[in-house]
Amino acid sequence: QVQVVESGGGVVQPGRSLRLSCAASGFTFSSHGMHWVRQAPGKGLEWVAVISNDGSKNYYADSVKGRFTISRDNSKSTLYLQMNSLRVDDTAVYYCAKDRSGLGIDAFDMWGQGSMVTVSS
Amino acid sequence: AIWMTQSPSLLSASTGDRVTITCRLSEGISNYLAWYQKKPGKAPELLIYAASTLQSGVPSRFSGSGSGTDFSLTISRLQSEDFATYYCQQYYFFPRTFGQGTKVEIK
Repeated sequence: QVQVVESGGGVVQPGRSLRLSCAASGFTFSSHGMHWVRQAPGKGLEWVAVISNDGSKNYYADSVKGRFTISRDNSKSTLYLQMNSLRVDDTAVYYCAKDRSGLGIDAFDMWGQGSMVTVSS
Repeated sequence: AIWMTQSPSLLSASTGDRVTITCRLSEGISNYLAWYQKKPGKAPELLIYAASTLQSGVPSRFSGSGSGTDFSLTISRLQSEDFATYYCQQYYFFPRTFGQGTKVEIK
C-alpha cells in the first residue's frame, strides 16, 4: 500500500524548534522528489519546501527560508522538516507529499494525513 | 511569485449539476497545472495533472482544460462525494503556488 505518514507535530512556544518526520512505504522512495505543504486553520494550502530524490536540490517558500530545513534519509525512506525560530503564523497542519518525478518538478500524487503544529505561548 | 486567481470561491450546486471552476495565472505556465480535492480532516487528493490528464482512479466525470494562463476544472454530474474544496496548483515556477480554493457546497 502506497502511503506517507507524518509525525512529530505538537504544541511549541514561539522561537523554539520542532522536527517533523514523514515515513514512506509502498513505493521506491529514492526515486521521487518530496514536498512539505501546510494549511493554517481556516486557510488554503501553502507550499513549504521540496527536496529532490537524491537530496541534492531543495527550494523553500520565502515565508520559511532561513528557518526551515528539508532533508531526507533514503535508507530509512523518511523525509524530515526541521523547523527553527517558530512563529505563531507557522501554526498549521503540515502535509508530506510525494512528487510524480524524481526532481520534484511535477504534481503531488500522494499526500499524508498531516501533522498539526501549534505555535503558542 | 506568480499570482493565481481561482473562482468562484464558493459554489452552491445540486447533485447532478455540471460545475466549472476556473484558475487564472499572472504568467504563462504551459500546461504545468494540477487540480486537487480536499475534504475536512482528510489528505488532499490529486485529480488532474498536466492541465488535462486524469489521475489514475479518479472518476471520468472530472475533466480539466486550458493552457498558458487560463485553466478550468469541470465536474460533469456532481455526486454527493464531490462536495469538497478544490485547489489549482502551478508547478512551473518556484515557489509552487496554489489557488485560494473553491468550496463546492450543497445548494
